[in-house]
Amino acid sequence: ETGVTQTPRHLVMGMTNKKSLKCEQHLGHNAMYWYKQSAKKPLELMFVYNFKEQTENNSVPSRFSPECPNSSHLFLHLHTLQPEDSALYLCASRQLAGALLEQFFGPGTRLTVL
Amino acid sequence: QQQVKQSPQSLIVQKGGISIINCAYENTAFDYFPWYQQFPGKGPALLIAIRPDVSEKKEGRFTISFNKSAKQFSLHIMDSQPGDSATYFCAASLSGNTPLVFGKGTRLSVIA
Repeated sequence: ETGVTQTPRHLVMGMTNKKSLKCEQHLGHNAMYWYKQSAKKPLELMFVYNFKEQTENNSVPSRFSPECPNSSHLFLHLHTLQPEDSALYLCASRQLAGALLEQFFGPGTRLTVL
Repeated sequence: QQQVKQSPQSLIVQKGGISIINCAYENTAFDYFPWYQQFPGKGPALLIAIRPDVSEKKEGRFTISFNKSAKQFSLHIMDSQPGDSATYFCAASLSGNTPLVFGKGTRLSVIA
């Protein structure tokens, strides 16, 4: 696998379920991000991890819980979601303070909350 | 200070025409300005990027024009093709440890 991978690609869950989204980057980057993309707000930054440490949480409800066990993996744990949380969840990574500034995105997980 | 404003929201261009998408930013400390292209069902992919020390960068049919004094930058797609139909996002960041700040996107449709 190359680049940034995300699993699952599609997820349907009820409001009482607990599920997790997984992201893995194979680029040797040291920063990883979760974005939410919906029709109303195209690309919302949710969480920022630099060197495995969470440095930013953009007022995301506590029903979303991120986890970064190492610099290559990022999880988004979901519980008691609402229908308005239905969106495309994108993971991205980049190399901090390096010569290459490109931020790479995964293909996303399409989440539907019933 | 962190906003990037993108226009138009949608754009329809004839095949062979020029597509132009504009962005404006507020934070004068931004020093990296990429454009991303996103097809349905895919994540955004970097198309072209520019640093503020140059006023223009061209890669194939895609050109970024950058106006530092006006705090504006734009994407020009020459000889637009139906395969260019996608959503385009401009973005900006500080080249250090900050994530990208994105515009709201422009949905481009190139019709034959």
